[in-house]
Amino acid sequence: EIVMTQSPATLSVSPGESATLSCRASQSVNSNLAWYQQQPGQAPRLLIYGASTRATGIPARFSGSGSGTEFILTISSLQSEDFAVYYCQQYNNWPPMYTFGQGTKLEIK
Amino acid sequence: QVQLQESGPGLVKPSQPLSLTCTVSGGSINSGSFYWSWIRQSAGKGLEWIGRIYTSGSINYNPSLKSRVTMSVDMSKNQFSLNLISVTAADTAVYYCATEGDGYPDTFNIWGQGTMVTVSS
Repeated sequence: EIVMTQSPATLSVSPGESATLSCRASQSVNSNLAWYQQQPGQAPRLLIYGASTRATGIPARFSGSGSGTEFILTISSLQSEDFAVYYCQQYNNWPPMYTFGQGTKLEIK
Repeated sequence: QVQLQESGPGLVKPSQPLSLTCTVSGGSINSGSFYWSWIRQSAGKGLEWIGRIYTSGSINYNPSLKSRVTMSVDMSKNQFSLNLISVTAADTAVYYCATEGDGYPDTFNIWGQGTMVTVSS
């Protein structure tokens, strides 16, 4: 099983600033990496797939980068609605065995 | 736009089976080339993919749950289902049905709202 490790567990940032979230895979997942945002009481929302491609309707302030085992989600000019929990997910296995990171909580500083 | 809605009991006794159904609306479960997945979220294990099913009958399960999980599709009702046997408190979680949607293979672009299932006597 590919283990996904996210850091930090909690990130405190002020509105208007940028946030950088990390995700590391225990082995290469190439670019088969997605990012999700989860608000309290809601299902996760797909933000990024293919490590760097924004899903439809996702604002340009969300950007993803990386390949192999190291990935970054950057959120610039943080808005109030961006404070949430973020998860990464790999989808590099065959047969499929999708795994998620444990999440990074982005909170208001 | 496809929408998903989970249904099933919120409380299951230990050792009993857990059965959930996901109803697909806004489109046919048999249209497109989507896989239909179940994912659960617990405080202890975070997000855990349970398995996926295709309308052709192709199924993939998480190896850690494979011995206890069965998934099925009912195209006449536009539904797919999850059955998990021999449940314990560790199976207490919010259960989501999800699918990739057009253009997002192997990810989860469409989710149900989730249903909380508690395993307790």
